[in-house]
Amino acid sequence: DQQVKQNSPSLSVQEGRISILNCDYTNSMFDYFLWYKKYPAEGPTFLISISSIKDKNEDGRFTVFLNKSAKHLSLHIVPSLPGDSAVYFCAASAWDNYGQNFVFGPGTRLSVLP
Amino acid sequence: DVKVTQSSRYLVKRTGEKVFLECVQDMDHENMFWYRQDPGLGLRLIYFSYDVKMKEKGDIPEGYSVSREKKERFSLILESASTNQTSMYLCASTIMGKEQYFGPGTRLTVT
Repeated sequence: DQQVKQNSPSLSVQEGRISILNCDYTNSMFDYFLWYKKYPAEGPTFLISISSIKDKNEDGRFTVFLNKSAKHLSLHIVPSLPGDSAVYFCAASAWDNYGQNFVFGPGTRLSVLP
Repeated sequence: DVKVTQSSRYLVKRTGEKVFLECVQDMDHENMFWYRQDPGLGLRLIYFSYDVKMKEKGDIPEGYSVSREKKERFSLILESASTNQTSMYLCASTIMGKEQYFGPGTRLTVT
């Protein structure tokens, strides 16, 4: 059973418009959430994160929103650029007896059309 | 800048061969991870290590083992490669409470 879900496998957006990528989680023990971006044949690179004590974090064109009661987070990219075309993974983190562990969603492929 | 390197970008092996994938990080991170990425399944955790000589099973450890003899190096071993282990393998490291840093990945094909 997936603990982190990204229900849209793909998303197409016009250049200059807003991209909204969504992520849902089931485990209430998650307290740190991250978004990664991945280009083909490369490893994922960290984009932005948010702690569970916040509901919004912003970094340039990227904003992550967290709704703890709904167990939902979203990544907004404004404006979207062709270079943003990639697969975006949502990840959630919790602590266990061995330290910090991360659970990833299946990814959403974003295509920004010129 | 944190650097995570993986020994091979592309690898082709035969069924039944023993395969070694190596990962090295240069930032003195305690935690290291091995994932495999398959289309539609995201990143699935194979094994992780929170210290030298320590290892813990992830979600899909069957058919794999790991070794961490030095803090900077975390090896993934496929004891007897099978075709269903054809995948992209990603190594990551992290300092506790922060984001993970990933290597470039190894695309393994088992024929």
